[in-house]
Amino acid sequence: AQTVTQSQPEMSVQEAETVTLSCTYDTSENNYYLFWYKQPPSRQMILVIRQEAYKQQNATENRFSVNFQKAAKSFSLKISDSQLGDTAMYFCATSGTYKYIFGTGTRLKVLA
Amino acid sequence: EAGVAQSPRYKIIEKRQSVAFWCNPISGHATLYWYQQILGQGPKLLIQFQNNGVVDDSQLPKDRFSAERLKGVDSTLKIQPAKLEDSAVYLCASSPGPLGEQYFGPGTRLTVT
Repeated sequence: AQTVTQSQPEMSVQEAETVTLSCTYDTSENNYYLFWYKQPPSRQMILVIRQEAYKQQNATENRFSVNFQKAAKSFSLKISDSQLGDTAMYFCATSGTYKYIFGTGTRLKVLA
Repeated sequence: EAGVAQSPRYKIIEKRQSVAFWCNPISGHATLYWYQQILGQGPKLLIQFQNNGVVDDSQLPKDRFSAERLKGVDSTLKIQPAKLEDSAVYLCASSPGPLGEQYFGPGTRLTVT
């Protein structure tokens, strides 16, 4: 069975600082993907970043990067130079063969 | 490219009434998902379609919830009869295939009184 665990229900960070959101997962799949999604208050869920499990290189998207530790089944999200618009719920997710699982989310608040 | 469309955006009903939600995925997306998101929680998959076939409905309360995807395009999710605990946001998402990025609609906020 696939599981995704986000152990930090809430976090806060000062504007322009760096913050790391944690995610651990478990899967029996060999071919799977990992994702971070962002859900701003009262707005649509959008993809932040994705990582193919077969790739060793960590994915980066502008200010967002991941630390993918396959053996440890860890997939953390680092947000650099935090901006007020980064305030949102962040969900970690994994997809395998016809199975997509989301974590419970981390509420991130960026403080001015 | 048009995004995932959902309607209605908001719905208030009394318990034991029925309600239906509609979703129009991104054109060409074979996979369609319905999620239930209770306030403060992550999305819970209710049903996943691949084209017009059901891939996973293991968490769909089949005694009251039903869903269909007509001709592998639009989809409707129905609740009959509704219970208080069905109050949630119902999200529809689509993707080109079952493994990749999902594109979400704006959701339908259901309140059951």
